[in-house]
Amino acid sequence: ETGVTQTPRHLVMGMTNKKSLKCEQHLGHNAMYWYKQSAKKPLELMFVYSLEERVENNSVPSRFSPECPNSSHLFLHLHTLQPEDSALYLCASSQRAGPYEQYFGPGTRLTVT
Amino acid sequence: KQEVTQIPAALSVPEGENLVLNCSFTDSAIYNLQWFRQDPGKGLTSLLLIQSSQREQTSGRLNASLDKSSGRSTLYIAASQPGDSATYLCAALYSNYQLIWGAGTKLIIKP
Repeated sequence: ETGVTQTPRHLVMGMTNKKSLKCEQHLGHNAMYWYKQSAKKPLELMFVYSLEERVENNSVPSRFSPECPNSSHLFLHLHTLQPEDSALYLCASSQRAGPYEQYFGPGTRLTVT
Repeated sequence: KQEVTQIPAALSVPEGENLVLNCSFTDSAIYNLQWFRQDPGKGLTSLLLIQSSQREQTSGRLNASLDKSSGRSTLYIAASQPGDSATYLCAALYSNYQLIWGAGTKLIIKP
């Protein structure tokens, strides 16, 4: 177990649905990250939270809405997604936002139909 | 533009061989470089992290080296086993948050 958990592990949703991805870290870290991994493409950083404050938004469309209610939990709210948003969404955490090792969760495999 | 390249994209070797995976980066001003393993359909497992001031890190049968001046890192796997089969990713940290990722090397160890 990596100490970072993600639910659900698999999600299929229609383009008009609203769903949320959840990430929880049990490592006492203060920074959390959302990444997107599409087929045959390098990982893309989406959002970074440090001490519950968003410090990075990597030009992500507004149909993705992150939320960090406390330093242990991170959500990604999804609405009106497109088929090209189908990907593996990975959550990570690190001690602080900076040159620290990032620990990853198992990911949520999202399919938009 | 900051880019990370991994060569080869895929590698198949017999069990027991020693092997080297390559990672190159265009901008040498990295904070650190991290090697990960990803099993099919799974998340990422951190293998080794090398700070910019370090030359290498070792963990069991794995050894990672870093040469900032040439923009290269290598991951050496000794006495490979079928359980080592996975995709190996390297990522270079360029700021407080921005990890630039390679596309990965898919490794198959044949029994």
